[in-house]
Amino acid sequence: AQSVTQLGSHVSVSEGALVLLRCNYSSSVPPYLFWYVQYPNQGLQLLLKYTSAATLVKGINGFEAEFKKSETSFHLTKPSAHMSDAAEYFCAVSETDSWGKFQFGAGTQVVVTP
Amino acid sequence: DVKVTQSSRYLVKRTGEKVFLECVQDMDHENMFWYRQDPGLGLRLIYFSYDVKMKEKGDIPEGYSVSREKKERFSLILESASTNQTSMYLCASSSLLGSGVDEQYFGPGTRLTVT
Repeated sequence: AQSVTQLGSHVSVSEGALVLLRCNYSSSVPPYLFWYVQYPNQGLQLLLKYTSAATLVKGINGFEAEFKKSETSFHLTKPSAHMSDAAEYFCAVSETDSWGKFQFGAGTQVVVTP
Repeated sequence: DVKVTQSSRYLVKRTGEKVFLECVQDMDHENMFWYRQDPGLGLRLIYFSYDVKMKEKGDIPEGYSVSREKKERFSLILESASTNQTSMYLCASSSLLGSGVDEQYFGPGTRLTVT
């Protein structure tokens, strides 16, 4: 069975500082990993996805994530936070033969301070 | 531009009412999903469907049912709404890949309040 843990339900970063959001997963087979962003009163939007092609994945809005099999992690980073990055971020894991079902983490709310 | 639409953004219903939430996708996707989102709990899968008239229970199906009569439409039904079903409901769709897993595309959500 797969599960996802996001460390930190709330993260506060200063504008221009590094954004680091942590995600650890458990999966019995090679996983597919995703990061989504949700702005207030909106649905989820895909930031990036890992599908075994490359361990460092670049996404939209300057975000990237690195798959580390030995650490079962898929942490999301952005070198320099912008005020528009304030949102909730979700990590998700899926597996082949799962009918495309995802297991989502609990989410991390990011606040960006001037 | 891909699109998943949900029939209402905000809905207020009384306890005991039958509630229908509608979701339509225009991407010819095989898979469709219904989630509820609650603070601190992330998204939890209620039901999903991988084909017309096919449905499978997710992690929290109790108190809900679904219907998929056409490929593009997936309905969530609360047979008798209760206050603990007050939540944000999100619909998503994805394609069925021969190998691998496709991303899910989400609708804007329906915030349901049951009083």
